[in-house]
Amino acid sequence: NFMLTQPHSVSDSPGKTVTISCTRTTGGIGSNYVQWYQQRPGSAPTILMYEDYQRASGVPDRFSASIDYSSNSASLSISELDSEDEADYYCQSYDSSNRGVFGGGTKLTVL
Amino acid sequence: EVQLVESGGGLVQPGRSLRLSCIASGFTFEDYGMHWVRQTPGKGLEWVSGISWKSDIIVYADSVKGRFTISRDNAKKSLYLQMNSLRAEDTALYFCVRDMKRFLEWFDAFDIWGQGTMVSVSS
Repeated sequence: NFMLTQPHSVSDSPGKTVTISCTRTTGGIGSNYVQWYQQRPGSAPTILMYEDYQRASGVPDRFSASIDYSSNSASLSISELDSEDEADYYCQSYDSSNRGVFGGGTKLTVL
Repeated sequence: EVQLVESGGGLVQPGRSLRLSCIASGFTFEDYGMHWVRQTPGKGLEWVSGISWKSDIIVYADSVKGRFTISRDNAKKSLYLQMNSLRAEDTALYFCVRDMKRFLEWFDAFDIWGQGTMVSVSS
């Protein structure tokens, strides 16, 4: 089965743009849709992006996602960083047997 | 309000069993695929099991296959996870999660999450 590899942590200052990568270890990144979730401390995860780049209802357009087939990875970008964006971010996909796969998560720190 | 409420967690000895329940409200439960996702304290998310809206697709993570059984009772708007032969590594917060779209022949993004029920496996 494949894994989704994320950086352990990223950080940047308020107002900047940060990008979190999610690299699929085997198989094509386009084989199954990628989703992104945000989890604030002490809370359940919430969906941000689905089907690679679709923004979930209520998610501000500061959040965007993309697929890079050359690096076999998905990316989540957050522009105009705000302190409220401090959270853990997870990418997720499915394998060919319909089993869910999560990335290890990335902790975003707003400096 | 769309809501998922888990129950049934607790402290259990290794090798014993536990049954988690999740009650849905605010939406037509029978129309959606459902999942269990767990999170070890301070660690990442791990998908555990999923069941389609028709219950014709049931899948498990390798780490729980053969020990856990997912099921649903649409009349009771409830999702269950029967956990047998529990191990220390099953210690986690277990979330009940809903697929985003209805009537799918596969699984989807997770758009509704419960608050989770904690399972601790220790002697």
